[in-house]
Amino acid sequence: RKEVEQDPGPFNVPEGATVAFNCTYSNSASQSFFWYRQDCRKEPKLLMSVYSSGNEDGRFTAQLNRASQYISLLIRDSKLSDSATYLCVVRGNQFYFGTGTSLTVIP
Amino acid sequence: ETGVTQTPRHLVMGMTNKKSLKCEQHLGHNAMYWYKQSAKKPLELMFVYNFKEQTENNSVPSRFSPECPNSSHLFLHLHTLQPEDSALYLCASSQEGTRASYEQYFGPGTRLTVT
Repeated sequence: RKEVEQDPGPFNVPEGATVAFNCTYSNSASQSFFWYRQDCRKEPKLLMSVYSSGNEDGRFTAQLNRASQYISLLIRDSKLSDSATYLCVVRGNQFYFGTGTSLTVIP
Repeated sequence: ETGVTQTPRHLVMGMTNKKSLKCEQHLGHNAMYWYKQSAKKPLELMFVYNFKEQTENNSVPSRFSPECPNSSHLFLHLHTLQPEDSALYLCASSQEGTRASYEQYFGPGTRLTVT
C-alpha cells in the first residue's frame, strides 16, 4: 500500500468554480501534512501546511481528518493561474509525496 | 541569494561521463535531500542528510554518490549513468528536530539527460 494516495485527475474546471482534492495516508503516526503546488517543469512549492483544526489562506482551505487519515484542499473561485499539479505531502519518519492531482482551470 | 539554489539547471551527459550536481541552501536548515522526478511519476527520495550525516539511502544505485561537506551544501556525483536516469533532480532542505513546522523548500532542479 502506498504511503500517500491521491486521485491523479485531471480536474478540468471553469473559472470561478470550487474544486476539492482529497488525499489519504496509511501511517496513523504521521506528524505533519502539507499541500504543495508544482507547475509544469518547475519545482514543488509549498502552498500551505495542514493543521488539525483546519486552516484557510485566502481562497484555499485545508483540512485534516486524523481518524479517517485523509487531507483535503478546497479551492474557491478558481483562477486560470491555479492550473497546476497539487501534491499531498505527509511527514512520518520522512517526507512522503503523493503522485499529484492535475488541475486545469478553463476560461 | 535566498532559498535553495541548484547548478547546473540543465545537463546533458554521455553514459561514460562523470559530472556533479550542486545544491546550496541559504535558509539555515540542518537537513538536505536529493529527489528524482521522472516524467509522470511522483518524487522519489534518494538521499537524506541530517546534520551532515546521511540518514536515508533509498536503494539508490552506486552510480549516484552524494556528498554533504557542510549543512549548506549538497552534491550528487554522477558516473556511468544510464538513459533511464534522465529526470529532474531536485534538492530540498528543511529544519529538523524543532517544534517548528517541517516544510521542505525545493531548489529549481537540474534537468538531466543521459545520452
